[in-house]
Amino acid sequence: NAGVTQTPKFRVLKTGQSMTLLCAQDMNHEYMYWYRQDPGMGLRLIHYSVGEGTTAKGEVPDGYNVSRLKKQNFLLGLESAAPSQTSVYFCASSYYNYYEQYFGPGTRLTVT
Amino acid sequence: TQLLEQSPQFLSIQEGENLTVYCNSSSVFSSLQWYRQEPGEGPVLLVTVVTGGEVKKLKRLTFQFGDARKDSSLHITAAQPGDTGLYLCAAALGEKLTFGTGTRLTIIP
Repeated sequence: NAGVTQTPKFRVLKTGQSMTLLCAQDMNHEYMYWYRQDPGMGLRLIHYSVGEGTTAKGEVPDGYNVSRLKKQNFLLGLESAAPSQTSVYFCASSYYNYYEQYFGPGTRLTVT
Repeated sequence: TQLLEQSPQFLSIQEGENLTVYCNSSSVFSSLQWYRQEPGEGPVLLVTVVTGGEVKKLKRLTFQFGDARKDSSLHITAAQPGDTGLYLCAAALGEKLTFGTGTRLTIIP
């Protein structure tokens, strides 16, 4: 069991470039989440999914898009990266809503 | 304004000492979770508390949920270097899980 995996681990983008972060889980969880973690701000929810084919906005969704085409995968896209999106991004999954969440190791993104 | 306030923000103590960190809000939670996050890794769930006044123990860690379900504390007895990390509380409020900003704990050998 790999749990929750994220790729890539690190990425540097120039302003205006696009990229996709991939999250995969092998625990057959229905719920998946994308968070960003910034110093002094805690973990903030970007988008989440309550099942395959569904997505919903979280606390800070602007500038991001997501897709959940397969139950085990949750993709986070940045269409036009901005320096304000420099952060550490975590994916998480859970069996029930707000139940124990299992986190991936994170992706450190820098936008210059 | 943070919905969940954690205190202290930073704590550095000697190995073997006891410590308590807190998680407070003006809102009532349906449940509260504590996570520990080590550098370069994602948070890992330690415990979930659901009932007001509930106390749960995990080896040297004792978690308490306030009677009114608005606050929680984490007490560590005889702290060890392996306890070093960022401790996050997370509360189920309405339809989502809200995280506090964390207490960064350092245990000095």
